[in-house]
Amino acid sequence: GAVVSQHPSRVICKSGTSVKIECRSLDFQATTMFWYRQFPKKSLMLMATSNEGSKATYEQGVEKDKFLINHASLTLSTLTVTSAHPEDSSFYICSARLAGPPQYFGPGTRLLVL
Amino acid sequence: GEDVEQSLFLSVREGDSSVINCTYTDSSSTYLYWYKQEPGAGLQLLTYIFSNMDMKQDQRLTVLLNKKDKHLSLRIADTQTGDSAIYFCAESIVSSNTGKLIFGQGTTLQVKP
Repeated sequence: GAVVSQHPSRVICKSGTSVKIECRSLDFQATTMFWYRQFPKKSLMLMATSNEGSKATYEQGVEKDKFLINHASLTLSTLTVTSAHPEDSSFYICSARLAGPPQYFGPGTRLLVL
Repeated sequence: GEDVEQSLFLSVREGDSSVINCTYTDSSSTYLYWYKQEPGAGLQLLTYIFSNMDMKQDQRLTVLLNKKDKHLSLRIADTQTGDSAIYFCAESIVSSNTGKLIFGQGTTLQVKP
């Protein structure tokens, strides 16, 4: 149980385009989902927290107009990187949890912006 | 502020025990976690411990928590080459009712045959 999926696993896009990443909880309903960014050989940086049906809470320094988060249902959250640039290239990981701990993580999405 | 520290690298021989250490600063942490990350993959939850516990054992894994010293450790018995990965310690923050996690930098465990 407690499986979280992400799609796509890898994406390459041109600079200036937008990319959408999906995060799904497959066998449980997630009251809260989280989006993280991980740079090579670095720890995870929390970008935002989203609750179903409400606006996401962004961490300091994360541009909410650049990283659009939608949590449309209890099993799906999406992260859209708008007008992507090479510096947005990274490994994006989502996690989900029920009402309480722990958080279960997805397999990650590797984004490369050319 | 909230901070979690880990040593960056640990090398052991196959069959030995591995001990990965972590220190944290937030004394009001509720849960502390250990996650494993293999190359190019997401994080796999290994185990977690509530802050009022001292120890938790799950097969080859033993977690020890010293709340006074704010020190958490993960012991892996009979370490195998498949245990080679990055191990992250994390704490959940009481002040955040969303269950926000603060991660350490990760410890790379290298298991030599």
